[in-house]
Amino acid sequence: DAGITQSPRHKVTETGTPVTLRCHQTENHRYMYWYRQDPGHGLRLIHYSYGVKDTDKGEVSDGYSVSRSKTEDFLLTLESATSSQTSVYFCAISDDEKLFFGSGTQLSVL
Amino acid sequence: QKEVEQDPGPLSVPEGAIVSLNCTYSNSAFQYFMWYRQYSRKGPELLMYTYSSGNKEDGRFTAQVDKSSKYISLFIRDSQPSDSATYLCAMSANYGGSQGNLIFGKGTKLSVKP
Repeated sequence: DAGITQSPRHKVTETGTPVTLRCHQTENHRYMYWYRQDPGHGLRLIHYSYGVKDTDKGEVSDGYSVSRSKTEDFLLTLESATSSQTSVYFCAISDDEKLFFGSGTQLSVL
Repeated sequence: QKEVEQDPGPLSVPEGAIVSLNCTYSNSAFQYFMWYRQYSRKGPELLMYTYSSGNKEDGRFTAQVDKSSKYISLFIRDSQPSDSATYLCAMSANYGGSQGNLIFGKGTKLSVKP
């Protein structure tokens, strides 16, 4: 998957707990993204980063925060998980033209 | 009207058939058009990338863009069971840079029967 590693691959958590998902790339690409994919909604952008410490909101950013302290790592944090955040989360990277996706993290919030 | 419309299917065809997958869009500023293939429990993978109108061919796959009709298509010739997947169209108005402006269709699920 284009040098992208997402961890964990699966996670089950309880409502109200904090959750952090990690995306690690070995391609040295400038741009990194977090998407969620839900039936009936398709892929929706949560947050993206255009450089170390440079991030911006996407379409569905409420309830999520991100951090990028190194080029290769992009973290997505759910400060207080809710059941509506049960989803498959994909990290993606861009070489300034094309978008490449990781394998995804299946998150269940009970 | 949503920016990108894609019939979710499912679409079931026999092996060897020609498959046509389509998306319509409303934003005339879109210039870059992509097709992604997503196998079950996997991330989407880029299949085809085209700029503006016209056709692009890659093996059994042909991507077609008709900007005047705001309509894009992906044709798969001699379809194989390994082509069974969900196909997502995606498009944007701007070249490169942040792909935060990439808009995805919801995907069409294709099943190719042996």
